Amino acid sequence: GDSVTQMEGPVTLSEEAFLTINCTYTATGYPSLFWYVQYPGEGLQLLLKATKADDKGSNKGFEATYRKETTSFHLEKGSVQVSDSAVYFCALSDQGYSTLTFGKGTMLLVSP
Amino acid sequence: KAGVTQTPRYLIKTRGQQVTLSCSPISGHRSVSWYQQTPGQGLQFLFEYFSETQRNKGNFPGRFSGRQFSNSRSEMNVSTLELGDSALYLCASSLGLAGANTEAFFGQGTRLTVV
Repeated sequence: GDSVTQMEGPVTLSEEAFLTINCTYTATGYPSLFWYVQYPGEGLQLLLKATKADDKGSNKGFEATYRKETTSFHLEKGSVQVSDSAVYFCALSDQGYSTLTFGKGTMLLVSP
Repeated sequence: KAGVTQTPRYLIKTRGQQVTLSCSPISGHRSVSWYQQTPGQGLQFLFEYFSETQRNKGNFPGRFSGRQFSNSRSEMNVSTLELGDSALYLCASSLGLAGANTEAFFGQGTRLTVV
């Protein structure tokens, strides 16, 4: 079945540091890939998405590129802020259907 | 435009009781999905409804059920509650089931505690 593996956290960074959170997936067919963010006490918010190979999703300074050859969708940001502290989830939906398979989540802690 | 609304936000129930959670999707969205979030298992898919029909179901026991009404609002029910059912239950709505309409928008969740 489908699965998503992402690096375990927490990831602890200083403000303005470079961020990478690794995500790899296993799926049949050609999934759509997503990054969601969850702030404390809140639901999930879609951060960015990519629907086909080599697509780059971007939002709020975050980027991720759909790499079919390495089945990866790593999240990056050039300069993190304290307000980016949250839990980040990598997810896929198989062949355009809306059911999501999530990774375990990676907590990001950014200190001033 | 109003987002996905889940009620109640918090619930405390006793083992053996049953509970009903409610989800109102974004206006115009016809698909509603439910997910359970726990520290140990992470986010797990429960079921998905579209036009009042269950279209997909995750690997949960029959104690977990749901339904969708003609206005797309959805409820999920858990009977004979167990301590392990304590979790954050998240509802997500999307325009449709497939293709370009699959972006899911999540509510803030209902935090269920079983004691």
